[in-house]
Amino acid sequence: DIQMTQSPSSLSASVGDRVTITCRASQTINTHLNWYQHQPGRAPKLLIYAASRLQSGVPSRFSGSGSETDFTLTISSLQPEDFAIYYCQQSFSTPITFGQGTRLNVK
Amino acid sequence: EVQLVEIGGGLIQPGGSLKLSCEASGFTVRNNYVNWVRQAPGKGLEWVSVIHTGVGTLYADSVKGRFTISSDESKNMVFLQMNSLTAEDTAIYYCVRETPFGELTFMDVWGRGTTVTVSS
Repeated sequence: DIQMTQSPSSLSASVGDRVTITCRASQTINTHLNWYQHQPGRAPKLLIYAASRLQSGVPSRFSGSGSETDFTLTISSLQPEDFAIYYCQQSFSTPITFGQGTRLNVK
Repeated sequence: EVQLVEIGGGLIQPGGSLKLSCEASGFTVRNNYVNWVRQAPGKGLEWVSVIHTGVGTLYADSVKGRFTISSDESKNMVFLQMNSLTAEDTAIYYCVRETPFGELTFMDVWGRGTTVTVSS
């Protein structure tokens, strides 16, 4: 199975901050990498697919980059609604695997 | 509106069985990938199973031989039959559509989830 490792596991930031979350795959996955936002009590939401493509309806302050094994999710200017847990996920091979999550907290 | 709604969660004793249902609207389960993904308390997301009516089914090793995914195209629903449940199966279970994009896929439609608690 492909292991997905996110860093940091948690992060404290303020509204307006620029935030970057990284995700590393245990083997190359080309750009078969997606990012999700999960707010407790709600359904997870797709933010970025294919490493860098913004899902329809997602604000442009979210962006993704990377390929092969190293990927990043960047939020350019944090908004109050962005405090949540973020997951990366690989779809390169079965079983689909997720990172352990990064909890973005209010500083 | 494209939507998934899960029903059937609850409290079940260890060793028991439970069947989850997922009702799709706004798209057909026929020829689409529909997954179950779970989140145990305090843990991250874990893929459980997938069905595609034209391709077949797959399972995570942790549930293989105990869980069965199926669909009813006439009702536009997907099911997850869970047998021999243990405390480790306690989780919120999400029904999720997975959409192909070239060679890759992404999970673009998620239900709100249904909670399964395995406890005596």
